[in-house]
Amino acid sequence: AQSVSQHNHHVILSEAASLELGCNYSYGGTVNLFWYVQYPGQHLQLLLKYFSGDPLVKGIKGFEAEFIKSKFSFNLRKPSVQWSDTAEYFCAVCPYGGATNKLIFGTGTLLAVQP
Amino acid sequence: GAGVSQSPRYKVAKRGQDVALRCDPISGHVSLFWYQQALGQGPEFLTYFQNEAQLDKSGLPSDRFFAERPEGSVSTLKIQRTQQEDSAVYLCASSFRQETSGEHEQFFGPGTRLTVL
Repeated sequence: AQSVSQHNHHVILSEAASLELGCNYSYGGTVNLFWYVQYPGQHLQLLLKYFSGDPLVKGIKGFEAEFIKSKFSFNLRKPSVQWSDTAEYFCAVCPYGGATNKLIFGTGTLLAVQP
Repeated sequence: GAGVSQSPRYKVAKRGQDVALRCDPISGHVSLFWYQQALGQGPEFLTYFQNEAQLDKSGLPSDRFFAERPEGSVSTLKIQRTQQEDSAVYLCASSFRQETSGEHEQFFGPGTRLTVL
């Protein structure tokens, strides 16, 4: 069965530290990849997405992610985090060309940024 | 414009009660999804509508779960004879595109937090 693994469940960083959140998926075919973010008290919002082309994708708020097909990975990065980045981050995969565009989510990573 | 809205935001039910959760997608969005998010987990797919047609219900955990979208806009997720294991946040998402190729993005609502006592 298709699955998504997020290895870091809780991450605590100080402001200005660099961030990398891991995401690996298990699916042999072509996939579309997403990172969603949920700020405290808010709903899930799209951070960035990859469909094709340049495997280095830039999203909102200075986030970027790199798709490495050979490693089945789509790690999220930010060079310098801010306190306002405190949130829960979800990686999601959508197998390309399936009957629906349903998303398969990882379990999420809770990021706390200390001022 | 307005985003996806869901009601109620919170629902407490006694075990065995029936509940109905409502989703208002973004106007014009063809695709509508329901997900279930248990505590400490990521959202898990329940069912998918393309307009009024329910094309995928493979994620519904039991026959106590039923979803409909009769006019291709508002959708209702109904859970009959609720059990404690049904306690979760139920998320609705909508998307403009219906085809499975090409770029697409799902817009999520705030969710309904269901607690079954």
